[in-house]
Amino acid sequence: DAGITQSPRHKVTETGTPVTLRCHQTENHRYMYWYRQDPGHGLRLIHYSYGVKDTDKGEVSDGYSVSRSKTEDFLLTLESATSSQTSVYFCAITSGTKTDTQYFGPGTRLTVL
Amino acid sequence: AQSVTQLDSHVSVSEGTPVLLRCNYSSSYSPSLFWYVQHPNKGLQLLLKYTSAATLVKGINGFEAEFKKSETSFHLTKPSAHMSDAAEYFCVVTGGGKSTFGDGTTLTVKP
Repeated sequence: DAGITQSPRHKVTETGTPVTLRCHQTENHRYMYWYRQDPGHGLRLIHYSYGVKDTDKGEVSDGYSVSRSKTEDFLLTLESATSSQTSVYFCAITSGTKTDTQYFGPGTRLTVL
Repeated sequence: AQSVTQLDSHVSVSEGTPVLLRCNYSSSYSPSLFWYVQHPNKGLQLLLKYTSAATLVKGINGFEAEFKKSETSFHLTKPSAHMSDAAEYFCVVTGGGKSTFGDGTTLTVKP
């Protein structure tokens, strides 16, 4: 298995609070991604990174920000959580180009009350 | 632009019978195509991928898929289902630097 961990694995928070999810990799891969998974929607890309301090938006980026200060860490922040952001969040990495095989972390289940 | 359609949201088979999970795609590029499996409360695991080499792709756990450009399809098959195959399966098309996921097919395997 690719060396990807996510923390926390579960979180319950209240509407309006800030939340940060962490993705950590030990593979030294260039590309990192944040997805959210909701029933009936597959996985949808929130943001991705193609290097340290290099990030870009995905298809559902509103309400989310990211940071990558080190190769191994990619942080996803919900500045002010809303109930619509209740979801399962997955981090993924690829070794080469953006079209290469993605390796996924175990996921973080976030509930916003 | 690209899209993926998984034609069945749920498939139920009996143990030992064949599995067919259907995926159609559209892409303006020469795409790469993937199948991933997700077991409950787990991340996604790669089953197999097509990247313009052989059109019949063999993956892990006895799964295979055939890329048919004329039909824009990439269906996943397995000759004999096992109870451990029960999971959700995702077809993914990647092209132009972007990955698009299908909505998933839940496979149920009955004893």
